[in-house]
Amino acid sequence: QKEVEQNSGPLSVPEGAIASLNCTYSDRVSQSFFWYRQYSGKSPELIMSIYSNGDKEDGRFTAQLNKASQYVSLLIRDSQPSDSATYLCAVGGSYIPTFGRGTSLIVHP
Amino acid sequence: GAGVSQSPSNKVTEKGKDVELRCDPISGHTALYWYRQRLGQGLEFLIYFQGNSAPDKSGLPSDRFSAERTGESVSTLTIQRTQQEDSAVYLCASSLGTGVVYEQYFGPGTRLTVT
Repeated sequence: QKEVEQNSGPLSVPEGAIASLNCTYSDRVSQSFFWYRQYSGKSPELIMSIYSNGDKEDGRFTAQLNKASQYVSLLIRDSQPSDSATYLCAVGGSYIPTFGRGTSLIVHP
Repeated sequence: GAGVSQSPSNKVTEKGKDVELRCDPISGHTALYWYRQRLGQGLEFLIYFQGNSAPDKSGLPSDRFSAERTGESVSTLTIQRTQQEDSAVYLCASSLGTGVVYEQYFGPGTRLTVT
């Protein structure tokens, strides 16, 4: 059984701070890693994908992958209230990714 | 370009009725996925289509659920004899489906309420 674990939160950070979201996975042969953002009542939106060990930066977002430790993280710099949402981690080694339950992020002014 | 579209956006049905949900993937995307998301819960995989290959139906919860896709175009998810536990948002996603790179793009979902 492939598992993807995320802390459900909520993770509460002040505006302007760095939000750090973490995800661990069980399947060692996983090759693709994704972060989705889901606002309440909306569908998931892809924000980052990462395939190699290390960091990948896109604007205020940085995804970090460590395959040896089987974790992937998402850093959000200069957090804004509009970043308040649930963040889903998805991991795949086949064509059907496994999704975590998501971490709720609250950015307060 | 146009994203994934789904219809209807909302559907209220009586217990025991059949419902049909539709998904239009992004043009050129060969892979198509259906998920179910109950209120406050995570994504539950239902079925996966890749081109003209046989679909992966491993996530369908019962034989009341079925789905079809013609080629690389529209897909329909059918739920027969609906039950109250079928109430959820049904999400469709599509991806290029090449190699191991399968960034999924989700439609807005269909909110199904069974009364």
